[in-house]
Amino acid sequence: DGGITQSPKYLFRKEGQNVTLSCEQNLNHDAMYWYRQDPGQGLRLIYYSQIVNDFQKGDIAEGYSVSREKKESFPLTVTSAQKNPTAFYLCASSISSGSGEQYFGPGTRLTVT
Amino acid sequence: AQKVTQAQTEISVVEKEDVTLDCVYETRDTTYYLFWYKQPPSGELVFLIRRNSFDEQNEISGRYSWNFQKSTSSFNFTITASQVVDSAVYFCALIQGAQKLVFGQGTRLTINP
Repeated sequence: DGGITQSPKYLFRKEGQNVTLSCEQNLNHDAMYWYRQDPGQGLRLIYYSQIVNDFQKGDIAEGYSVSREKKESFPLTVTSAQKNPTAFYLCASSISSGSGEQYFGPGTRLTVT
Repeated sequence: AQKVTQAQTEISVVEKEDVTLDCVYETRDTTYYLFWYKQPPSGELVFLIRRNSFDEQNEISGRYSWNFQKSTSSFNFTITASQVVDSAVYFCALIQGAQKLVFGQGTRLTINP
């Protein structure tokens, strides 16, 4: 089945630790995205990548880092510099950036204590 | 700047009632795309529809219908004969050019049996 996978579904970390969230897609999409969602809020863009080995900051990139070494994979690292890392993180992909609809993974709920 | 406003934070109706979710957008461009997504309790966003700015034709898909009016910058979503399974958070979103997808704050819809 084609789709986007994110693992794990729930993740717990201690404050001060870096943590990497995985995102894999087998849709052959060029563009991939990371969003953050806080309770009762809409989605805010963290980083996006239009093509392999290229990525751009979104609206709230501070404290996060990404890599895009393979078309299928776009991992997100939440660093200790992120002041409020507890949130729901959603990964998405689209055929290309711009007008195409984005398809979302199931999300990872990160809790940092 | 692009902006999407979903003024209804929460809506609660009884099953079989019709319900309309409002979406108002702001953009300076003449070419743009509008989307609706559904977020059930599981968290994953499900793509519902994409509409480009040159196509004002209303669309119907089963119990779902969308009314796009450029004159009022609105892209409203109506569910006819609502069902409990329609309970979710619904997001309206906008994209123009190769820019990022901008989401509204979402409307939490509860369908009571």
